[in-house]
Amino acid sequence: DQQVKQNSPSLSVQEGRISILNCDYTNSMFDYFLWYKKYPAEGPTFLISISSIKDKNEDGRFTVFLNKSAKHLSLHIVPSQPGDSAVYFCAASGGGIQGAQKLVFGQGTRLTINP
Amino acid sequence: DGGITQSPKYLFRKEGQNVTLSCEQNLNHDAMYWYRQDPGQGLRLIYYSQIVNDFQKGDIAEGYSVSREKKESFPLTVTSAQKNPTAFYLCASRTGHEQYFGPGTRLTVT
Repeated sequence: DQQVKQNSPSLSVQEGRISILNCDYTNSMFDYFLWYKKYPAEGPTFLISISSIKDKNEDGRFTVFLNKSAKHLSLHIVPSQPGDSAVYFCAASGGGIQGAQKLVFGQGTRLTINP
Repeated sequence: DGGITQSPKYLFRKEGQNVTLSCEQNLNHDAMYWYRQDPGQGLRLIYYSQIVNDFQKGDIAEGYSVSREKKESFPLTVTSAQKNPTAFYLCASRTGHEQYFGPGTRLTVT
């Protein structure tokens, strides 16, 4: 039962353009969402998050959009840079005291930025 | 420098041996977590601990054990009962909603 899904295993974008990574979830109890970036053989790095009371959160080149009715969130990176090439994980938490203590991760999307 | 330390970076063991992975944090976080990552998959939760001397099973706890005797330390033992122990293991600690990860340990069992 995959509660958090990233349906695109990979994405290729030209340098300078916008990268859009998508994530869908099924559990309506999730109330907090996070994006992580991961390089090979390293731990994930926290990028940006959003609470379910918001529909947008922006931090520099990164913006996360949340559509609660569609149970969908997306990460926009503008402009895309070569250093953005990595695997991006979407994660969600919520659903009671125990649910708030844990993160549920998607499978990840490998982003490649081409020169 | 505050952070999470995992050692060693690479670990090799023979099948049938137990092995313990180290995780230390100096962030003063109460909650700590262990995940494993397999190729092409997301992170799957093995065990977590919200406070010293207490821990809970995650989604894939079979074949693993943990202890939490100190706030700073949350070691993971991969036992011989774990059927597919070769993986990348990640430790994390939490403040608020955000979890922060260590650099990981690549365990190879042959």
